Amino acid sequence: KQEVTQIPAALSVPEGENLVLNCSFTDSAIYNLQWFRQDPGKGLTSLLLIQSSQREQTSGRLNASLDKSSGRSTLYIAASQPGDSATYLCAVLNQAGTALIFGKGTTLSVSS
Amino acid sequence: NAGVMQNPRHLVRRRGQEARLRCSPMKGHSHVYWYRQLPEEGLKFMVYLQKENIIDESGMPKERFSAEFPKEGPSILRIQQVVRGDSAAYFCASSPSVRGPTEAFFGQGTRLTVV
Repeated sequence: KQEVTQIPAALSVPEGENLVLNCSFTDSAIYNLQWFRQDPGKGLTSLLLIQSSQREQTSGRLNASLDKSSGRSTLYIAASQPGDSATYLCAVLNQAGTALIFGKGTTLSVSS
Repeated sequence: NAGVMQNPRHLVRRRGQEARLRCSPMKGHSHVYWYRQLPEEGLKFMVYLQKENIIDESGMPKERFSAEFPKEGPSILRIQQVVRGDSAAYFCASSPSVRGPTEAFFGQGTRLTVV
């Protein structure tokens, strides 16, 4: 059974810091991996999608990497801003392509 | 291009009543997924549907829960005889109608409170 773990559960940093969020999964047979952002009481916003054949994806200040063989992904946020404060969720799509399996998220707080 | 639309945003039901949650996928999307987020827990997959077909319902509770995605109209998640433990945020996602899974886009969710 696929399990997704995100470390740390919470993170507080001052504005301007670069930071790394970690995601690990137990079954390397995945179709893709997606990082989302969730603001309190809101829905999910897709940040980056990495196909299983890819190693990384970049969008603005965000960079996500994928090491499928070791079951790990990282989300790198450069020059953090208070507006980055949110919960970041990692999810892997099962190989059948029918279900996203989510971690519990990392709650990020960036202080000005 | 409107995103995934869910309604209502908030729903209050008394124990024993029925709850109906609606999801209109993004234009051109024919794949719909339902997820549930319980307090202090992560999102859990419930069901994956294509038009008029349930593809994967492995995450759906066996009793009281059902889902449909008719040829016309929104997808409906129906919870009969609700109990307090059904209180949660229910999210719908959709993906494009192309071969193979692609990026999933989520709605704002319906927050169900059972009193």
